[in-house]
Amino acid sequence: QSVLTQPPSASGTPGQRVTTSCSGSSSNIGSNTVNWYQQLPGTAPKLLIYSNNQRPSGVPDRFSGSKSGTSASLAISGLQSEDEADYYCAAWDDSLNGVVFGGGTKLTVL
Amino acid sequence: QVQLQQSGPGVVKPSQTLSLTCAISGDSVSSNIAAWYWIRQSPSRGLEWLGRTYYRSKWYYDYAVSVKSRISINPDTSKNQFSLQLNSVTPEDTAVYYCAQDKTGAFDIWGQGTMVTVSS
Repeated sequence: QSVLTQPPSASGTPGQRVTTSCSGSSSNIGSNTVNWYQQLPGTAPKLLIYSNNQRPSGVPDRFSGSKSGTSASLAISGLQSEDEADYYCAAWDDSLNGVVFGGGTKLTVL
Repeated sequence: QVQLQQSGPGVVKPSQTLSLTCAISGDSVSSNIAAWYWIRQSPSRGLEWLGRTYYRSKWYYDYAVSVKSRISINPDTSKNQFSLQLNSVTPEDTAVYYCAQDKTGAFDIWGQGTMVTVSS
């Protein structure tokens, strides 16, 4: 049971905009920034969004993040087939004094 | 460009010690702005943060509560690497283990991952 809650699956068609959520509590998302990771099959996770809404160099601006209260969202616009992957949210938890992750959302491009 | 290269055995016997190493290129384990992490991933537990080490005039260590009594993360400045030791392993410790660097408050760079199976 992951500390952060994510829907297990999401889907969309090419070109569509999809969003996925990440729900936490006051000790993690409510008081710290949220990071998002993309994991393609058989590979290590890759940083997609940091500090709620910042994109590392090389990440397309089709990916965007936001945070409100104890929840965060990842949006992907102009969906492409190569976006099919697992997406994880993460944040520092002040109560646990460590990083907590969501269970991941599997994105399917139909 | 920072790269992390993991090494270590893929099979460990129950009750023994799991040992992995993460070699750093393109940065220094003694960096004053980076932190170095171990993370694991299994179907049953998902992604799980294990611990970190970082240098800010002295070395600091933080460990996840779930493994605190069994874990040690050690920097090796002479080889520019850091290691993970997890004692008294059980089949529940079977997972893919990753090392990672944090310079932005996130895991910016990841190692390639090492599948470790705990089995006799």
